Amino acid sequence: GENVEQHPSTLSVQEGDSAVIKCTYSDSASNYFPWYKQELGKGPQLIIDIRSNVGEKKDQRIAVTLNKTAKHFSLHITETQPEDSAVYFCAHNSGGSNYKLTFGKGTLLTVNP
Amino acid sequence: DSGVTQTPKHLITATGQRVTLRCSPRSGDLSVYWYQQSLDQGLQFLIQYYNGEERAKGNILERFSAQQFPDLHSELNLSSLELGDSALYFCASSAQGAAAGYTFGSGTRLTVV
Repeated sequence: GENVEQHPSTLSVQEGDSAVIKCTYSDSASNYFPWYKQELGKGPQLIIDIRSNVGEKKDQRIAVTLNKTAKHFSLHITETQPEDSAVYFCAHNSGGSNYKLTFGKGTLLTVNP
Repeated sequence: DSGVTQTPKHLITATGQRVTLRCSPRSGDLSVYWYQQSLDQGLQFLIQYYNGEERAKGNILERFSAQQFPDLHSELNLSSLELGDSALYFCASSAQGAAAGYTFGSGTRLTVV
């Protein structure tokens, strides 16, 4: 199916710790996996993405890993800061579709100073 | 500023009424996507247009319709409004397709009373 399961729904960490959010999908034809960050009162913003021909991608403190065999992908944030507090959404293009992205239900990350 | 402009930012209207939400995509983007965000359903795909043509439809109610004009701006029309239609409505745009990532606008918050 096209749904994507995202866990956990809420995550609270201390500043400086790492945070990991995981998403699981079922459609083997999906080949594009972006992550979005949504701050209060704003629209979701693309922070990192990965394609199915790559296993890992890193951008400063943010990394995404993809396990195509197990059909899951994860967002890793290291050295968390209070400004990382937001809702994070994973997404995928179910069926390899170029027409839409299907989103997970989101993870509320709180970084405590 | 993401480059995607949505108006109005807030809208309060009564049940049974009709409203129009407007979206101007980022310069050069041909695809426009509409999503509904509610607390319990997350980001739900409504409809996609590419260069004036409808390309994909999600779980969009018959009371809702959309179009994309020659200047590429898009409008989402919601009619016979119900309390349950209260939500954030986001527009996103992309240069080509969903598999290249979206840029979201800041949304329109619709409250039906």
